[in-house]
Amino acid sequence: DTAVSQTPKYLVTQMGNDKSIKCEQNLGHDTMYWYKQDSKKFLKIMFSYNNKELIINETVPNRFSPKSPDKAHLNLHINSLELGDSAVYFCASSRKRGGAETQYFGPGTRLLVL
Amino acid sequence: AQSVTQLGSHVSVSEGALVLLRCNYSSSVPPYLFWYVQYPNQGLQLLLKYTSAATLVKGINGFEAEFKKSETSFHLTKPSAHMSDAAEYFCAVGGEGAGGTSYGKLTFGQGTILTVHP
Repeated sequence: DTAVSQTPKYLVTQMGNDKSIKCEQNLGHDTMYWYKQDSKKFLKIMFSYNNKELIINETVPNRFSPKSPDKAHLNLHINSLELGDSAVYFCASSRKRGGAETQYFGPGTRLLVL
Repeated sequence: AQSVTQLGSHVSVSEGALVLLRCNYSSSVPPYLFWYVQYPNQGLQLLLKYTSAATLVKGINGFEAEFKKSETSFHLTKPSAHMSDAAEYFCAVGGEGAGGTSYGKLTFGQGTILTVHP
């Protein structure tokens, strides 16, 4: 049973397109996150939701829009894709919000923008 | 603001040798510290975490880390490396300050790639 799942696993698309990545967790957690891992493997948080409420919104271009239809799902929609958006995007979840909480990561979505 | 520095982007050891991966943190409040491992083309898996209980923390796969406040360090060690330990390792600090914008976010170090030679 996959705890945190993401679809698709790979995404290859052209500049200017709009795409979505979906994330689901079956752990019953309240808090979910999106992280971006760049080509140098550096991981940086983008967004976090707690009980469907946006709680962390880092300095991310507004072409990126997260949506949480319910506690178990956090999707990421990206408009007008740019070359620099090529990266691995990880979804994660934790039992609740807090610095001591363990975050459980999905397998990642590898996005390549051509 | 909290930050993490991992010294050494690549560490190479022989199978059976000691593994030491270094992590130093910066935090204005007592930190929560994590080590995650990432195998090729996979997500991150928690190895261990420090949450202000015992300063020596034991994790999975024989890894352990010691929190040293005086040195602001949280180095990861394993007495005897195995080929299956080859992966990238990330140290992270958990954001504190309930209600603040950093509350609950993980700030990661740059990662250390561990290579294990036969």
